[in-house]
Amino acid sequence: DIQMTQSPSSLSASVGDSVTITCRASQGIANYLSWYQFIPGKAPKLLIYIASSLQTGVPSRFSGSGSGTHFTLTITNLQPADFAIYYCQQTYNSPITFGQGTRLEI
Amino acid sequence: QVQLQESGPGLVKPSETLSLTCTVSGGSISGYFWSWIRLPPGKGLEWIGYISYRGSTTYNPSLKSRVNISLQTSRNQISLQLTSVTAADTAVYSCARHASDGSPWDYWGQGTLVTVSS
Repeated sequence: DIQMTQSPSSLSASVGDSVTITCRASQGIANYLSWYQFIPGKAPKLLIYIASSLQTGVPSRFSGSGSGTHFTLTITNLQPADFAIYYCQQTYNSPITFGQGTRLEI
Repeated sequence: QVQLQESGPGLVKPSETLSLTCTVSGGSISGYFWSWIRLPPGKGLEWIGYISYRGSTTYNPSLKSRVNISLQTSRNQISLQLTSVTAADTAVYSCARHASDGSPWDYWGQGTLVTVSS
């Protein structure tokens, strides 16, 4: 199985800040990497796909980069609605696997 | 707007079968792949498996011997069955849509908590 190591596991920031979350794959996954936002009580939301493509309707404050084994999600100008849990996901190989999650707190 | 809603018993006894349904509204299940995933309390996301619009399935090897995913096209539903459950199967179970096996998951349900306990 491809292991996805996400860091940090938690992060404190303030409205207006910028943050970066990292995801590393245990082997190369090309750009088969997606980022999701989880908010309790709401359906998870796709933010970034193919490592750097912004899903329709997602604010441009979110951006992704990387290829191979190292990927990042950057959120600039944090807004109150951004405080959530973020997961990376690889769909390069079965079984599909996820990072452990990053809790972004105010 | 496509919406997914999971439903089923919130409590299942050990050794019994967990059965859940994902009902899709605002779009057809035809032409897409449908995954089930779970989030056990205090643990990470675990992909259970997916079914294609043609009915072919791919399961996580860790659960393969106990899982069955099926389509009910006329009802626009996807079903999950997990047999011989234990407390370790307690989790929030969610369904999600994707365009192919390697595609991102563009729509998810909110998830439903299933507790395994006597």
